[in-house]
Amino acid sequence: DGGITQSPKYLFRKEGQNVTLSCEQNLNHDAMYWYRQDPGQGLRLIYYSQIVNDFQKGDIAEGYSVSREKKESFPLTVTSAQKNPTAFYLCASSPGTRSYEQYFGPGTRLTVT
Amino acid sequence: AQSVTQLGSHVSVSEGALVLLRCNYSSSVPPYLFWYVQYPNQGLQLLLKYTTGATLVKGINGFEAEFKKSETSFHLTKPSAHMSDAAEYFCAVRLFGNEKLTFGTGTRLTIIP
Repeated sequence: DGGITQSPKYLFRKEGQNVTLSCEQNLNHDAMYWYRQDPGQGLRLIYYSQIVNDFQKGDIAEGYSVSREKKESFPLTVTSAQKNPTAFYLCASSPGTRSYEQYFGPGTRLTVT
Repeated sequence: AQSVTQLGSHVSVSEGALVLLRCNYSSSVPPYLFWYVQYPNQGLQLLLKYTTGATLVKGINGFEAEFKKSETSFHLTKPSAHMSDAAEYFCAVRLFGNEKLTFGTGTRLTIIP
């Protein structure tokens, strides 16, 4: 089955710890994205990558970091510098600039206490 | 800059009644337009999209939407609501050549038995 996997589904961390969220796709898509979802605010773009070894900041990149060493993987690290990290994080992918829609993974709910 | 406005953060309809979820966009050029559905604690699933051509587009689960350039709208409709339609719905826009999707803040649809 082709698709996007995110693990784990639920993640709990103590304040001050960095945490890495996994996103893997086997759709052979070039572009990948990370969004943050908070109640009543829709989805906000954190980072995106159009090709391996290249990525761009989205609208709310502060306190986050990413890497894109492989086409199928785009992990997101939530650092201790992120002031309010508790949220639902969604990973998405798209075939590339000539395609239109994005396909989403199931999400990871991160709770930091 | 492009933006998306979804009128009504919560909409309730009776089972069997018409579903109408409103979406207006602001863009200097006609964008690509999308509707996504999200069930609790899950990722987003594409319902339908408008890119070019016919302005009335049909999607999955009996939903359809009409692109009205003069009104800068892309409202989502379904003739007869089903209990399984209860979810959150997001409208999104994307400009040609732009990698980013801009999402509305979402509309939570409740179906009354």
